[in-house]
Amino acid sequence: GAVVSQHPSWVICKSGTSVKIECRSLDFQATTMFWYRQFPKQSLMLMATSNEGSKATYEQGVEKDKFLINHASLTLSTLTVTSAHPEDSSFYICSANSQPQHFGDGTRLSIL
Amino acid sequence: GQNIDQPTEMTATEGAIVQINCTYQTSGFNGLFWYQQHAGEAPTFLSYNVLDGLEEKGRFSSFLSRSKGYSYLLLKELQMKDSASYLCAVIYGGFKTIFGAGTRLFVKA
Repeated sequence: GAVVSQHPSWVICKSGTSVKIECRSLDFQATTMFWYRQFPKQSLMLMATSNEGSKATYEQGVEKDKFLINHASLTLSTLTVTSAHPEDSSFYICSANSQPQHFGDGTRLSIL
Repeated sequence: GQNIDQPTEMTATEGAIVQINCTYQTSGFNGLFWYQQHAGEAPTFLSYNVLDGLEEKGRFSSFLSRSKGYSYLLLKELQMKDSASYLCAVIYGGFKTIFGAGTRLFVKA
């Protein structure tokens, strides 16, 4: 089945730092990848849809200048949280355009 | 707008059967998924329904009624390791997915 790898698993950093999260499809080509955010005891919330070779589509309320998405190849999408602040601390998960969606293992981001 | 409702929490006894309900309202429907999510981990796929009826997969079964916008996940012979959150998700408009808030299941001895 489809395998999605996400890195890193944990990030702890100071406020104001920019953090990059990678999402790779290991055994298939992913023209579309999805980035979700999940706060404790809440649902997965779609942040943006990443399209290979074109601009990402952001959901309402998600700042595109803060959450930079790059999908430069058919196997890699990256999410960069720029100038992260404590309120950005969350669990970030990517998935790829397979059915069912297969998720990366997630990245727990903690901003001090 | 799109909406999914499922109970927040359920408790059941080891060895018993539990049914987790999900109702949805979406503009279009391409399929319904159930995922299991343990705390701090990513969701893992359990089942998929696109046509009405029951899909059985070992101890897990999932039912769908598209006319009622309703699904349930049935877990049999509950084990302690089944304690987790169970997410109902609906695909609509192609690849768009909306997730329910999840039902936290506590299995007690």
